[in-house]
Parts: sequence; C-alpha cells; structure tokens
Amino acid sequence: DGGITQSPKYLFRKEGQNVTLSCEQNLNHDAMYWYRQDPGQGLRLIYYSQIVNDFQKGDIAEGYSVSREKKESFPLTVTSAQKNPTAFYLCASSESSGPYEQYFGPGTRLTVT
Amino acid sequence: QKEVEQDPGPLSVPEGAIVSLNCTYSNSAFQYFMWYRQYSRKGPELLMYTYSSGNKEDGRFTAQVDKSSKYISLFIRDSQPSDSATYLCAMGVLGAGSYQLTFGKGTKLSVIP
Repeated sequence: DGGITQSPKYLFRKEGQNVTLSCEQNLNHDAMYWYRQDPGQGLRLIYYSQIVNDFQKGDIAEGYSVSREKKESFPLTVTSAQKNPTAFYLCASSESSGPYEQYFGPGTRLTVT
Repeated sequence: QKEVEQDPGPLSVPEGAIVSLNCTYSNSAFQYFMWYRQYSRKGPELLMYTYSSGNKEDGRFTAQVDKSSKYISLFIRDSQPSDSATYLCAMGVLGAGSYQLTFGKGTKLSVIP
C-alpha cells in the first residue's frame, strides 16, 4: 500500500523541549510539505522540500526546522522557540513535475503544556 | 482581501439532499483546483482535481470551475451521513517550481439521517 505515515498520532511535551515529528512516504514523490492546522485558521505551510538535501521556508517557519536526507523522509522539529506549538501537524507529498496534487498523512496532534 | 475565501459553515442538510460547496479566489494566476475531504482528527483526503474550466464528475461528486468569475464549486448528489466532514478547496499555479497550494479554511458539512 502506497501512502504517507506520520508518527506518533498524539504527542505531549513540556514547554521548553524540542520535539521531532516523523513523516515517511513510499509514493516515490520528490516534493514533501509540512502544514500546521489550527481551528478556524485553515492549513498553513511551514516548510517544503522539492528534492533531497534542499528545503524552503513556508509562511510560518519561525520556531521550526526540517531536514531532507532521504527521499522518503521529511522530519519536522518543533523547537522551544515556537511560541504556540500546540496544533495539528500534517505532512504531505506530491510529484515534482506534475500533476501537483498533494497527498496527506494522518497527522500528528502535538500538545505542549 | 484573502486569496481564497470559503464559507466556514456549518452547513447542515438532510440525507439525500444535493450539497453545494463554494470557494472564491482573487489570484487570476491559479490554474489548477482541488477539493479535499477531512474527517475530524484525520488528514485531508483528495476528492477531485481539475485543471480547466467547466465540470468534472466522479460518482456523486461534481467539481465546477468558472475562471472568469474566479469561483469554484463542489456538488454532492444524494448526500449520505458518511459525507459529514470538513471540505477544503485548494488551488495552485502551474509552472516550474509551482508546488505550493493555497487552501480555503474549509466548510464543515453535516448530513442528517
């Protein structure tokens, strides 16, 4: 079965701690994305990567970091610098040369207290 | 003016009704359009995508794009309780490096048995 996996489904952390969210895809897609979803806010792009070892900031990158060492994997680290990290985080992937439909993982709900 | 406007609802309809979900946009550069369905606490699921004006049908779902009016719609015929979800429109610009989608905030739909 081709798809995107995110782990864990729920994550709890204390304020001041960094935390890394996992995203793996076996769709052979070049492009991968991280979004944050808050109630009433819609999806906001954090980072995206078009190819291995390259990534770009999205609209709300402050307080986040990513790496893309393998085509299949695009982990997101939520750092202690992120002022309001509690949210639902979604990973997605797409072809790089079209079609551009993005396919999403099941999401990780992060709660920081 | 936001790039993509979508009525958040909630929209409540009886089972069997025809549902119309809509988005308007301001950026005339948008060339491809998608609809996603998102169940509570799950990742968005791609329902339909289209690159041209006009109608595209898939089972009970019809996507309609009117580029001259900058207006897109999703129609659901014979709506079922299982259609109860939040529906997100998304759109993007074709071309090299055009990976980013702009999302509406979503319309929450409830289909009452």
